[in-house]
Amino acid sequence: EAQVTQNPRYLITVTGKKLTVTCSQNMNHEYMSWYRQDPGLGLRQIYYSMNVEVTDKGDVPEGYKVSRKEKRNFPLILESPSPNQTSLYFCASSPRLVRGFNTGELFFGEGSRLTVL
Amino acid sequence: GENVEQHPSTLSVQEGDSAVIKCTYSDSASNYFPWYKQELGKRPQLIIDIRSNVGEKKDQRIAVTLNKTAKHFSLHITETQPEDSAVYFCATLDDYKLSFGAGTTVTVRA
Repeated sequence: EAQVTQNPRYLITVTGKKLTVTCSQNMNHEYMSWYRQDPGLGLRQIYYSMNVEVTDKGDVPEGYKVSRKEKRNFPLILESPSPNQTSLYFCASSPRLVRGFNTGELFFGEGSRLTVL
Repeated sequence: GENVEQHPSTLSVQEGDSAVIKCTYSDSASNYFPWYKQELGKRPQLIIDIRSNVGEKKDQRIAVTLNKTAKHFSLHITETQPEDSAVYFCATLDDYKLSFGAGTTVTVRA
């Protein structure tokens, strides 16, 4: 079954304790991205990756890191979480997402709800 | 990045009536405009999209219209049903990323 898998789905942590949210897709998609969803603000992009070893900042990258060592995996790292990073996080992937060329549907994972105390 | 404004933020309609959500964008080079639906507690999923060489696209009870000159596009849902209750997001493609509107919470009253 084609899917984007995120883990953990729910996490409560404390300020400053490093954590990683994993994301894996089995569709051989080139493009992967992380979004955070907050009430009234919609989906805001944190980081995206066009392909292996190619990553770039989205609209709200502060406090986050990513890596793309393999095509299928795109982990989100919070080195020192703070309460303002409490949010619902979505990983997503697409065959390709480039303005002016063939665009693909963005497939979302089920979301990871993170609470930082 | 692209600025996408979405209105209204909430919309309550009687079952069977129509719902319209409008989005405006700022980047005239945008050429791909998808709409995503997110049911409560679920992930967003694509319901319809339109490219800039098309003015309107329809899929059963949902349709999207695009006015490139005015830089706005709209989602139309006809004959609304309870299962249409959800949050709807518009988006535009800006180089290598989708920029989303803030979302519209649609409630269909029985």
